[in-house]
Amino acid sequence: EAGVAQSPRYKIIEKRQSVAFWCNPISGHATLYWYQQILGQGPKLLIQFQNNGVVDDSQLPKDRFSAERLKGVDSTLKIQPAKLEDSAVYLCASSLRGTLNTGVELFFGEGSRLTVL
Amino acid sequence: DQQVKQNSPSLSVQEGRISILNCDYTNSMFDYFLWYKKYPAEGPTFLISISSIKDKNEDGRFTVFLNKSAKHLSLHIVPSQPGDSAVYFCAASDQGGSEKLVFGKGMKLTVNP
Repeated sequence: EAGVAQSPRYKIIEKRQSVAFWCNPISGHATLYWYQQILGQGPKLLIQFQNNGVVDDSQLPKDRFSAERLKGVDSTLKIQPAKLEDSAVYLCASSLRGTLNTGVELFFGEGSRLTVL
Repeated sequence: DQQVKQNSPSLSVQEGRISILNCDYTNSMFDYFLWYKKYPAEGPTFLISISSIKDKNEDGRFTVFLNKSAKHLSLHIVPSQPGDSAVYFCAASDQGGSEKLVFGKGMKLTVNP
């Protein structure tokens, strides 16, 4: 079974430039997540999609970050304009809806490392 | 406000010994807990989980214990192997809510041969 695919793996940009990350989740997974992981910290949820719809984007800096999930499959995360503090690994994850006993297990991609100079 | 806390940033143990990784949480609505393992330049991978209706879950060398009254869980690895060296993240979710995972900061485990 193919895992979560992300691209690019690495990106270096200057502040105020824009960048876009792409994610292809595991086939059949309705829920897709974008997490931001800053060095030395745990992943922080930016946005959660259920099929096409946004479930939670409360921690997404909407003045500069945007995300979409067209047709309920692939997703893109865009940052425009980038700031120095956006340097992080951007992790995409997908999941099946869990049950009370099994819960939700997220499957992560390898991440996209962004460096803003 | 950090809802999931891993207060020790690192742990070093000898091969064959037990590794104990601790995690505390503050949100009483959390009812499902997971441990993820992360190697450098890779995404986190699922290791083991536990529902709040249980106090112990075992999978091979890995056992997770949950103490709901103390809002504390721990991961035991016995025996520890050099390949277990990685960063371990504790995560929690509210299954009755958004199901989103809230992660701790992680703990780096080093198993020495």
